[in-house]
Amino acid sequence: DAGITQSPRHKVTETGTPVTLRCHQTENHRYMYWYRQDPGHGLRLIHYSYGVKDTDKGEVSDGYSVSRSKTEDFLLTLESATSSQTSVYFCAISETGDNSPLHFGNGTRLTVT
Amino acid sequence: ILNVEQSPQSLHVQEGDSTNFTCSFPSSNFYALHWYRWETAKSPEALFVMTLNGDEKKKGRISATLNTKEGYSYLYIKGSQPEDSATYLCASKYNFNKFYFGSGTKLNVKP
Repeated sequence: DAGITQSPRHKVTETGTPVTLRCHQTENHRYMYWYRQDPGHGLRLIHYSYGVKDTDKGEVSDGYSVSRSKTEDFLLTLESATSSQTSVYFCAISETGDNSPLHFGNGTRLTVT
Repeated sequence: ILNVEQSPQSLHVQEGDSTNFTCSFPSSNFYALHWYRWETAKSPEALFVMTLNGDEKKKGRISATLNTKEGYSYLYIKGSQPEDSATYLCASKYNFNKFYFGSGTKLNVKP
């Protein structure tokens, strides 16, 4: 299995508080992604990174920011959590190349009350 | 935002039945089509990655085909088993290594 660790695995927080989710990889893969999973929507891309300090927005980036200061870590921050951000968040990594699949972390279940 | 669609949304079959699902995707600036298997309480795992028009991939009883000109892919399961029960996701890859997922087909195989 690809070495991807997400932390925390579960979090409950209150509306308006900041929250940071961490994704750590030991594979030295170039690309890292944050997705959210909601019923009826599959996986939707929030932000992704194509290198250290190189990030770009996905389809549902409003309310989220990211940072990648090291190859191995990709942080997702909710500056002021809202109930609509209650979801399961998955980090994924991939190598360069069209034949490279995504490898997923185990997910973080976030509840905003 | 690119629209990747999967059908059906869910499927209930009997053990031993063969089944297939469809994934349709925009064919402009297309790089690759992925199929993932996602079991409950686990993470998605890659089944196939296909890039060329006419590609066919096979892993045991599961196979997939790709038509990049018309923008669709089929996933086939021959002789379904209860352990095949899962959600099957397709994802299409475009410029800048961005992946867009369909909403998945949930398969339930009854013994």
